[in-house]
This record gives sequence, structure tokens and C-alpha cells, in this order.
Amino acid sequence: GAGVSQSPRYKVAKRGQDVALRCDPISGHVSLFWYQQALGQGPEFLTYFQNEAQLDKSGLPSDRFFAERPEGSVSTLKIQRTQQEDSAVYLCASSLAGQSHSNQPQHFGDGTRLSIL
Amino acid sequence: DQQVKQNSPSLSVQEGRISILNCDYTNSMFDYFLWYKKYPAEGPTFLISISSIKDKNEDGRFTVFLNKSAKHLSLHIVPSQPGDSAVYFCAASLFSGNTPLVFGKGTRLSVIA
Repeated sequence: GAGVSQSPRYKVAKRGQDVALRCDPISGHVSLFWYQQALGQGPEFLTYFQNEAQLDKSGLPSDRFFAERPEGSVSTLKIQRTQQEDSAVYLCASSLAGQSHSNQPQHFGDGTRLSIL
Repeated sequence: DQQVKQNSPSLSVQEGRISILNCDYTNSMFDYFLWYKKYPAEGPTFLISISSIKDKNEDGRFTVFLNKSAKHLSLHIVPSQPGDSAVYFCAASLFSGNTPLVFGKGTRLSVIA
């Protein structure tokens, strides 16, 4: 069965470059979440969507981070002018939960490991 | 200020015995709690969850207990197997789950054969 798919799995970029990370959620899942995980820490929330609407972006660390989900399915997390502190694993999760569902778990992809040199 | 705390970074258990992983939270508004298991280079895999209206949920070898008055939950794995060796994350959310998860730092479980 198709789970959450993220690409690329690994990305190396030079400081100052722009990067784009892609997430394909489970088909039919309404909600999509982005998290950042530093080494030895739990995932930390960045932003989330319900269908194409971005409901909360309070976790984005700076205005260099931008996320979109234009058709309510695939999402892209873009980081502009990358810095070394952006190096982390970026995880995407999707959930069936929407306004008419509750208590639905989030299912995660395997993440994109981003390294900024 | 961490809202979800897993105070044991690691735990070793013999195969066949019970593993108990603990988690404490500070936000009394959390009402949905989940446990995830993570292998290296993979994303977290959902294990089991519990709503705040319950105090126990069981799924095969995995049982989660919730003590709302103590703001404490635990995951019991019986019997433990070598394949259970992984990092376990506790997570909590508001409003029945359709909101961002707040994670603990994880506990690394090693099941020794």
C-alpha cells in the first residue's frame, strides 16, 4: 500500500542556495503536516494544511521557509538562502482527520535529510 | 519549556520480559496521545494511541495507560522481542488529533536476546 512519500531522501546544498522538498501524502488524507527533526530530538512542528488551506505556519523558523499545497494533495516545503542551522531531517505526515473526523493518527514519511555545507 | 517529556533516554530489557516506557506532559488541554516507533533512517511509525476519555488502550502486545490526574502515560510491551529495539516517541495533541503533534525527545529501547 502507498504510504507517505518524500523526495529527495537526501539533499546536500551549499549555504545560500534554495532547496525544495516534496511530500506525497496518503491518497485521500485531508491534513498534511511538516516537521523538522534535529539529531537526538523529537520532531518539531513547522506548518500544516487542511486540503489546500494552510491553517498554521507558526512553527516555521523564519521567512526563508515557505510551504504550499496548491491542489490539496502534494506539498512542497521550500527553504530560501539556506543556512547551516537548517541542516536537519524534514518529515511530512498526513492524516485522514478533517473537520468531520477526530482521533486519527498522523502517518509519517521517511523524511528528507538536508545537509547545508 | 518542554510540554511532553520522556525522562529516560534509554532502556534495556531482556527478551520476553515487559518493557515500560514513560511519558509526562504539562498541558492539561492535550486530549489525544500517541506512541511512535522509529528505526534509523526511517520515519516514525504509528504504534498505538489513546483518547483522554479513556485510561487504557490495548493492541496485541502493546498497551497504553493514561493517568490524566498525574499527566502521565506509559507504553507497555509484553513480551518484548528483539525487533522492538528502536526509539520510541510519545506525542500529544489538542482537539482530538487534527492539530500538530508535540513530541518528547524519545527513549531508545534495546531488547537483549
